[in-house]
Amino acid sequence: AQSVSQHNHHVILSEAASLELGCNYSYGGTVNLFWYVQYPGQHLQLLLKYFSGDPLVKGIKGFEAEFIKSKFSFNLRKPSVQWSDTAEYFCAVKARVADTGRRALTFGSGTRLQVQP
Amino acid sequence: SQTIHQWPATLVQPVGSPLSLECTVEGTSNPNLYWYRQAAGRGLQLLFYSIGIDQISSEVPQNLSASRPQDRQFILSSKKLLLSDSGFYLCAWSVARVPLTDTQYFGPGTRLTVL
Repeated sequence: AQSVSQHNHHVILSEAASLELGCNYSYGGTVNLFWYVQYPGQHLQLLLKYFSGDPLVKGIKGFEAEFIKSKFSFNLRKPSVQWSDTAEYFCAVKARVADTGRRALTFGSGTRLQVQP
Repeated sequence: SQTIHQWPATLVQPVGSPLSLECTVEGTSNPNLYWYRQAAGRGLQLLFYSIGIDQISSEVPQNLSASRPQDRQFILSSKKLLLSDSGFYLCAWSVARVPLTDTQYFGPGTRLTVL
């Protein structure tokens, strides 16, 4: 079964600092990759996703992620964070599993980002 | 547009009491539906998913059960709650016809505290 690792559990940055959150998955086949974000008091919402094509994916609010197949990674980046980026970030993987009908996501444990003004 | 509702938003229940959490989706038909639990300090864990009415798969053995009596209604239940059932329960939906590329959309969640 696939698994997702987010090694940074809690990250504290100052405004304007650059951000990179790590995400590694274990699955040898074709994957769809997602980053979700949960702002304080709000729903979990999609930040960006990768299905195929250009491995550098741009999402909302200036976020981007790069799929590196050889490293089984899908790290999230932002060149300059803002206080409003304070949230919890979840990486998720959906793998193509033939004939099982399994269509759900496997989530990482999340990274709590705190941006200090 | 599609919307997903969950209720109640918060719930405090004693150990051994029953549970019923409801999730409904509007604006789409025949969605895939999911129940996740987020325990404190941990990521999201898939509990159940459903690809149609009365078609439910359980991902982990546990004290909970799920039912889908209508196309856009998904219910999470328990006959007797345990302390370990405390957590944040999220319902999600996705479009059924494109399973390999479907994005999941999450509801607001229910915070359950079992005392």
